Parts: sequence; structure tokens; C-alpha cells
Amino acid sequence: DIRLTQSPSTLSASMGDRVTIACRASQNIGTSLAWYQQKPGKAPKLLISGVSNLESGVPSRFSGSGSGREFTLTITSLQPDDFATYFCQQYFTYLLTFGGGTKLEIK
Amino acid sequence: QVLLVQSGPEVKEPGASLKVSCEASGYRFTEYGIAWVRLAPGQGHEWIGWINTLTGKKTYAQSLQGRVTMTADTSMSTAQLVMRDVHSGDTAIYYCARGGMASSFDVWGQGTLITVS
Repeated sequence: DIRLTQSPSTLSASMGDRVTIACRASQNIGTSLAWYQQKPGKAPKLLISGVSNLESGVPSRFSGSGSGREFTLTITSLQPDDFATYFCQQYFTYLLTFGGGTKLEIK
Repeated sequence: QVLLVQSGPEVKEPGASLKVSCEASGYRFTEYGIAWVRLAPGQGHEWIGWINTLTGKKTYAQSLQGRVTMTADTSMSTAQLVMRDVHSGDTAIYYCARGGMASSFDVWGQGTLITVS
């Protein structure tokens, strides 16, 4: 199975900050990568698919980049609603796998 | 509004079977597959498997193959997950999600907490 390693596991930031979350794949997955946001007790929300394609309704302060094995999720100008857990998912193969998650906390 | 609504939380004894249902509304059920994903305490998300709601074709995670069965009832727009012989390691929140066999998932159920104790 393809392993996805996210870093950092926890990130402390302040309102208005710019943050970056990394997701590294154990093998080349092309552009078959999605990012999700999840809050406690809630279902995951799809933010980005195909590395950089923002889902409808997702604020433009979210962006994704990368290809092959290295990917990043960037959030510019953090808002109160952004403090949550973020995780990546690969769909290069049908044996889907997920990153371990990054908890974004208020500093 | 596109929704996936799951059945409620359950407590199971070790060795029992768990069953989670996922009712779709707001779209044509057979146009999208349904995946099942779980999130265990302190762990990352784990893909359980996927079912093609039109053809009934299924793929399961190798680690769970033999204990898991997925079905889709097109007349009820409902997908179901059954897991047999559960143990404490199966304690998790179970989610259904809409998407293809190898895709991202744009709609998720609210989650079903299954506790094995």
C-alpha cells in the first residue's frame, strides 16, 4: 500500500498567519491527491482534489500544490473557522490510503 | 441537498457482527459508488472498501477481507456495511462517502460510532 506521511502532526498558529502542511507519499502518485478538513464530531470535508483543484465553496485562502511524492496544503490568513484537523488522501490506486492528519491549533 | 445519513451508534461484544447503513438522498444513487472509511481512536483514517452501487462490484481492504461485506440496495438508495467477528481494535467511527473506486470523496455521512466492549 502507498504510505502517506504528513507533517507536522500538530501546528500552532495565530489568526491571520500563513501555514503549510506537508504530505509525502511513499511512491509517485502523480496528481491523485486530495485534502480534507475535519472538526471534532463532524464528517470530513473535501477541500481540494487533484492536488490543487479547490472544491466549490471552499475559500480561496486554501491552496494545494505538488506532484509525484511531495505535496503541500497552504492556508493564508488563518480564520477562526480554519482551526481543525487536516489530512491528505491518495487515490492513485484503488487501495486508498490517508495521511495521519495535522491538527491546527490556535497559538 | 445531497446527503448521506448513517445509522446510529452501537455497542458490540467481541465476536459479534456490526452493521452500519448509509442512506443517500438528493442524487441518483447508482451514479456514484460508496466507500467505507473508519477512524479509530488515536489513529489515521483507514479505507475499508468500496462498492459500485450500479453493478454491485466490491473491493475490500486486504486487512479486512473475509470479515467485511458491503451491499447496496438501489430500491432504498442505501448502502450497508457488515463486519463480522469484531474485536476491540474495530472500535472506531465508521463513515460512508460518495465517490469512485479510486477518487476523492465529496460527500460523507455523519459517522457512526461503533464501540466493541
